[in-house]
Amino acid sequence: TQLLEQSPQFLSIQEGENLTVYCNSSSVFSSLQWYRQEPGEGPVLLVTVVTGGEVKKLKRLTFQFGDARKDSSLHITAAQPGDTGLYLCPNRDDKIIFGKGTRLHILP
Amino acid sequence: DAGITQSPRYKITETGRQVTLMCHQTWSHSYMFWYRQDLGHGLRLIYYSAAADITDKGEVSDGYVVSRSKTENFPLTLESATRSQTSVYFCASSELVESSGNTIYFGEGSWLTVV
Repeated sequence: TQLLEQSPQFLSIQEGENLTVYCNSSSVFSSLQWYRQEPGEGPVLLVTVVTGGEVKKLKRLTFQFGDARKDSSLHITAAQPGDTGLYLCPNRDDKIIFGKGTRLHILP
Repeated sequence: DAGITQSPRYKITETGRQVTLMCHQTWSHSYMFWYRQDLGHGLRLIYYSAAADITDKGEVSDGYVVSRSKTENFPLTLESATRSQTSVYFCASSELVESSGNTIYFGEGSWLTVV
């Protein structure tokens, strides 16, 4: 069973600051996805990374997949209140397990 | 409009009553999932289904029953609701889970309160 850990579990920072959150696995990901869940809604896909070392950018969000495909980071530059939400990286077995994620709060 | 819809969106029920949450998707995705979300626990998998007539337990399946007689529907039943089942329930669907890049689509959630 793939064990996932996201860190930090909670993060509260001021608007305009930079931040990085992490997703680590006990085993190799075939692919890795990041989802964001805004309050009162279901999670929505942000990005999929497939190749070890891959970097993808989505406006102020930069996603990096580890060379060994066992970890990933999400870096947000100049955070805005609209970035507030729960960030999740699920496993990719038949049982899609999401875990607790990182709860991010951006203070205006 | 195509998508994944849940009903009811909000429900208050009494302890011991049977409650069914409905989930319908229009993409003919093979996989469907039910999650519950409680503060401090993130999303926890209740049941999932790889195809019609195939279902399997997730992390927290006790007290819940599912069926999948048609590909597009995946109802979740609480046979005898308890206060600990007060939660937000999310249904989701996806195509071949093992392939890379297949998006998981979520419904808007069903807020269930058991009193």
